[in-house]
Amino acid sequence: NAGVMQNPRHLVRRRGQEARLRCSPMKGHSHVYWYRQLPEEGLKFMVYLQKENIIDESGMPKERFSAEFPKEGPSILRIQQVVRGDSAAYFCASSPGGTVGYEQYFGPGTRLTVT
Amino acid sequence: QQPVQSPQAVILREGEDAVINCSSSKALYSVHWYRQKHGEAPVFLMILLKGGEQKGHEKISASFNEKKQQSSLYLTASQLSYSGTYFCGTVNYGGATNKLIFGTGTLLAVQP
Repeated sequence: NAGVMQNPRHLVRRRGQEARLRCSPMKGHSHVYWYRQLPEEGLKFMVYLQKENIIDESGMPKERFSAEFPKEGPSILRIQQVVRGDSAAYFCASSPGGTVGYEQYFGPGTRLTVT
Repeated sequence: QQPVQSPQAVILREGEDAVINCSSSKALYSVHWYRQKHGEAPVFLMILLKGGEQKGHEKISASFNEKKQQSSLYLTASQLSYSGTYFCGTVNYGGATNKLIFGTGTLLAVQP
């Protein structure tokens, strides 16, 4: 059973470009969480999605960031007009359920570098 | 709102034991424990739920004091592979979703 998959693993963007990060959850999981980890810091929640729905985006910056999880295909975290402060590791985690009590399994992450 | 972990860092010799604590200012529904090695993804270790249910690795033990809003992770007979940063992730009681609020982290180094 394949784990959570993320691609690309490393992404370099120049300031002002767009970054698209993809996450395919574990088989049978329909709940996806995105977290950001700044260098030498802990993980911060960004957004929680189910298929075709954003459930909780309380951790998302109000501008430039968006997320989706279409009926078919991976979940995508999109960052428009990237700035140096967006450089971080972005992890997605998938879960078999969305209510409290379900564990979350993390993907390998995408390390975004903005030059 | 971020849970506080203690100690911040600990160095062990192989075979020694360690306890990592996680303390929240909020009432909790669950506590999740993860280990992260440098440059890698967090690996799920255990989940402890309000009411006493636990799920996780057989070789890992932990406790959850709901009244004190605290959890402790017990690492016994440590191995070199235990090295890494340990994070607790908490789910606040009454929250609508299962989003995790991660603690400050504890760096564990196990030496031969």
